[in-house]
Amino acid sequence: DQQVKQNSPSLSVQEGRISILNCDYTNSMFDYFLWYKKYPAEGPTFLISISSIKDKNEDGRFTVFLNKSAKHLSLHIVPSQPGDSAVYFCAASALGNTGNQFYFGTGTSLTVIP
Amino acid sequence: DAGITQSPRHKVTETGTPVTLRCHQTENHRYMYWYRQDPGHGLRLIHYSYGVKDTDKGEVSDGYSVSRSKTEDFLLTLESATSSQTSVYFCAISDLDRASYNSPLHFGNGTRLTVT
Repeated sequence: DQQVKQNSPSLSVQEGRISILNCDYTNSMFDYFLWYKKYPAEGPTFLISISSIKDKNEDGRFTVFLNKSAKHLSLHIVPSQPGDSAVYFCAASALGNTGNQFYFGTGTSLTVIP
Repeated sequence: DAGITQSPRHKVTETGTPVTLRCHQTENHRYMYWYRQDPGHGLRLIHYSYGVKDTDKGEVSDGYSVSRSKTEDFLLTLESATSSQTSVYFCAISDLDRASYNSPLHFGNGTRLTVT
């Protein structure tokens, strides 16, 4: 069963507007959450993360929000740029005896229209 | 960019043949991971390593084995490849910071494997 879910396979946004990507998780033991961006034929690249002790983290145009009670996180991109067009994966992990296992969602393909 | 090299980048093989994919890192990170990416499934963990000779299974480990004889190299072996193992395979590394206990994964550029 998928522990991390991204229910929107795709999203289109006008350049300059806000992009909001959503992610839900089921495992209450997850305590570290991440967003990755992926271009075709490349590996995913790390964007931003948040630990469970926070509810918001910002890095430039990217902000991640965490709602632990709803088991929901979101990534906001403001303003959206055409270069942001890519597939975005959310991931979650819980610290175990042998380190972190990271679980990923199925991805959301973002298209930013010039 | 994290120093992660995956080889080969592309491979076509026949059903039933053994295949080994290699991941090499120059970052001296303790943790190494193998993921596969498939449409509709995202990235799924196959195996990971938490030190030399220390490995554990992930979500989709059946049909795969791994070995890590030195810090910089993590090998993924398909003992007898099947068509269901056609996928893009990504290696990732992490240097778990025990002080903050968090550290992101950094990925290689992937190996595209086709099993005919």
